[in-house]
Amino acid sequence: DQQVKQNSPSLSVQEGRISILNCDYTNSMFDYFLWYKKYPAEGPTFLISISSIKDKNEDGRFTVFLNKSAKHLSLHIVPSQPGDSAVYFCAASTGGADGLTFGKGTHLIIQP
Amino acid sequence: KAGVTQTPRYLIKTRGQQVTLSCSPISGHRSVSWYQQTPGQGLQFLFEYFSETQRNKGNFPGRFSGRQFSNSRSEMNVSTLELGDSALYLCASSLASGVNSPLHFGNGTRLTVT
Repeated sequence: DQQVKQNSPSLSVQEGRISILNCDYTNSMFDYFLWYKKYPAEGPTFLISISSIKDKNEDGRFTVFLNKSAKHLSLHIVPSQPGDSAVYFCAASTGGADGLTFGKGTHLIIQP
Repeated sequence: KAGVTQTPRYLIKTRGQQVTLSCSPISGHRSVSWYQQTPGQGLQFLFEYFSETQRNKGNFPGRFSGRQFSNSRSEMNVSTLELGDSALYLCASSLASGVNSPLHFGNGTRLTVT
């Protein structure tokens, strides 16, 4: 069973607009969440994270929102730029030594 | 600072063979994790090493093993290869173990089993 789900395999957004990527989780023990970005032929790179004690974290154009009661988080990118075209992975951790649990990714395409 | 280096980048093996993948972490990083990425399953945690000790292992058969050396470099071994082992194997390093140390990934080793 998939504990971290990214239900949109792909998302197309116009340059300059807001991109919203969604992620749902089922394990209530998850208390730390991360977003990674991956370009073809490269490994994922860390973007932004959020602890379960917060409901929002911002870093420049990237903001992550966490709704614990709904077990849902989202990544907002404003404004979207062509270089943002990549696969975005949501990941979660229980804080223990059992590694990160990743979603299957959303391919974001920024249209000029 | 050099990033995480994985060798080789590409590998083709036959069913039943065994393979060893190598990972050199970022200098100063003591934790190394391995992940398997397949189109159907996404990224799945294999194991993590910290100071030469395996901290935890994901839900993979015993054919998958690893080790970490005193210089933090790590190797991953897969024995008796199966077609389903074809995947991108990603190594990631971090300063310490735990969520407050974000993972820095290498570019992966693409393993194809025929």
